Amino acid sequence: TQLLEQSPQFLSIQEGENLTVYCNSSSVFSSLQWYRQEPGEGPVLLVTVVTGGEVKKLKRLTFQFGDARKDSSLHITAAQTGDTGLYLCAGVREYGNKLVFGAGTILRVKS
Amino acid sequence: ETGVTQTPRHLVMGMTNKKSLKCEQHLGHNAMYWYKQSAKKPLELMFVYNFKEQTENNSVPSRFSPECPNSSHLFLHLHTLQPEDSALYLCASSQDSRYSNQPQHFGDGTRLSIL
Repeated sequence: TQLLEQSPQFLSIQEGENLTVYCNSSSVFSSLQWYRQEPGEGPVLLVTVVTGGEVKKLKRLTFQFGDARKDSSLHITAAQTGDTGLYLCAGVREYGNKLVFGAGTILRVKS
Repeated sequence: ETGVTQTPRHLVMGMTNKKSLKCEQHLGHNAMYWYKQSAKKPLELMFVYNFKEQTENNSVPSRFSPECPNSSHLFLHLHTLQPEDSALYLCASSQDSRYSNQPQHFGDGTRLSIL
C-alpha cells in the first residue's frame, strides 16, 4: 500500500473538458506539493499547500488541501493539449522528515 | 541556463559495464538527491546529500555508488547492473534537505536501459 494514493491512474479527455485528479492518504501531512512532468522532462513544481482547507489557483488549475490535511485534489478547467503530462503529488507527513511521492496520474488531452 | 542538468540523457549498457551518471545544479542549493522512476510506481528516493555529506541511503544495492564532490555536482556510478535497474534516474536539488517541505528542482533525467 502506497502512502499517497493517486487516482485515476490514467485519464484521457478531449480538449475543453474539465477534470479532477485526487491524492489521498490515511496519514496527516504538514504540506503537499503538486508537480507536473511532461514527456521527456523532469517534474516541475506547480504548487505547495500547507493549511487544511486551503485553495490555490494557478490560471485554469485549482488545488485544494483537505480540511484534515489527508488529501488533496487538482481540478483543471477547460483542459488544453498543453496540460498533457504526469501529475504527481508529494508530501511531508506530520512529524516526518521525508518527501514522499504518489505514483501519479497520467493525463492525456486530445485535440 | 537550466537549473539542474543531467548527462547523459540516454544510456544503454550491458550488465558488466561500468558507467556514471552526472548531475549539475546552478541554483546555489545545498542538497542533492537521486531518484529512480519506474512506470506506475512512485518516485523512489535513493540517496540524499546535504552540504556534501550523505544523509540518506535508502537501502540501495551497492552496485549503485553515489559521489558528491561539492554542492553543485552529484554522480551516480553504476557497476554490474541488473535488467530490473532499467528506469529513468532523476536528480533533484533543494536549498537544504533538513527542510523536507522545500520544493525540489529536478533535472530531465537519464533514461537507463540494461541489456
